[in-house]
Amino acid sequence: DTGVSQDPRHKITKRGQNVTFRCDPISEHNRLYWYRQTLGQGPEFLTYFQNEAQLEKSRLLSDRFSAERPKGSFSTLEIQRTEQGDSAMYLCASSPTGGGDTIYFGEGSWLTVV
Amino acid sequence: AQSVAQPEDQVNVAEGNPLTVKCTYSVSGNPYLFWYVQYPNRGLQFLLKYITGDNLVKGSYGFEAEFNKSQTSFHLKKPSALVSDSALYFCAVSPNQAGTALIFGKGTTLSVSS
Repeated sequence: DTGVSQDPRHKITKRGQNVTFRCDPISEHNRLYWYRQTLGQGPEFLTYFQNEAQLEKSRLLSDRFSAERPKGSFSTLEIQRTEQGDSAMYLCASSPTGGGDTIYFGEGSWLTVV
Repeated sequence: AQSVAQPEDQVNVAEGNPLTVKCTYSVSGNPYLFWYVQYPNRGLQFLLKYITGDNLVKGSYGFEAEFNKSQTSFHLKKPSALVSDSALYFCAVSPNQAGTALIFGKGTTLSVSS
């Protein structure tokens, strides 16, 4: 499978705990994106990387959220001190570069905060 | 503000009939336009995109979309719907600037009855 891979697919955590999601993009894709999707809504942009550089962050990405892409390959999204409002699907996507390149999405990581 | 509107929450069509899922956008410049489909509890699958050129774009699974600059629309169409087309469809726009991530509409649920 050469698509975007996300792990874990599902995570249930207690409020206040930290969680981390991992994303492996399509090989040789320079750009990697994180989105959040809640029920009944379209995906909302969180942040993106060009290789290892984090180039843009949405105002949705509060101080409790941090994303890294240390070697320009896989990426992690960590949420600290989770809140019930963080319950959502976190989507990772990648593209070769920017502009009009097609952005390919992973299957998503579902987070439920109880 | 840049935005994408999908005016219909749900579209119902009988199998074999043509279908249209509407999308309008509000961005500056010349945007790149995309359609994605999402099946339950899955990530987004790319259907087609408009970058430049012919206003009628053909994509996967027999779908096509027509770009209309004067009406700022990018409606998704298919001549003959299948029950298996039933899913959630998202229109997305990327302003014509290197590095800007996709802005999604809220989605339209397509229901095709047999």
